[in-house]
Amino acid sequence: GAVVSQHPSWVICKSGTSVKIECRSLDFQATTMFWYRQFPKQSLMLMATSNEGSKATYEQGVEKDKFLINHASLTLSTLTVTSAHPEDSSFYICSAYTAVVAGVTDTQYFGPGTRLTVL
Amino acid sequence: QKEVEQNSGPLSVPEGAIASLNCTYSDRVSQSFFWYRQYSGKSPELIMSIYSNGDKEDGRFTAQLNKASQYVSLLIRDSQPSDSATYLCAATGGFKTIFGAGTRLFVKA
Repeated sequence: GAVVSQHPSWVICKSGTSVKIECRSLDFQATTMFWYRQFPKQSLMLMATSNEGSKATYEQGVEKDKFLINHASLTLSTLTVTSAHPEDSSFYICSAYTAVVAGVTDTQYFGPGTRLTVL
Repeated sequence: QKEVEQNSGPLSVPEGAIASLNCTYSDRVSQSFFWYRQYSGKSPELIMSIYSNGDKEDGRFTAQLNKASQYVSLLIRDSQPSDSATYLCAATGGFKTIFGAGTRLFVKA
């Protein structure tokens, strides 16, 4: 149990285009999903917290108009990087929060990540 | 500022030895504690959870929690080269999870 998928696993795009990344919890319902960004050899940076049916909460310094988050259902959240630029190139990872799965409480399960390269 | 502190390492141990990873947290509200393993270029994978004081063992892994000292540790027995990764400590409380920056472990064959 507790499988989270992300699509696509990698994407290369031209500067100025928009990229959508999907995050799905496959075998459990997640009321909350988190979006992280990780640059090479650096730690996870929380970008935003997404609750189903409500607006996402963004961390300080993260532009909400650039990183659009939609959490339409208990199993799907999407992150859209609008007008992407080379400095947006990074590893984007989502996680799904669940109260209890397989006896493990109060934890996040991570998707496999999406590597974005903006040319 | 709620924080989770870890030594960044790298921690280098020979194959077969015990690797000891440590973590301290600043928020007394934290109730749940986790260790994640992250291989280079991959996303974190949950390997241990612990909620009460004491030790919790799962195979070669033992997590230890001391809430009075606000200290969490992970012991890896019989370390293998495949254990070489970055280990992230996380503390959850009040519906907020704080991750440490991670400790790089290198197991030498």
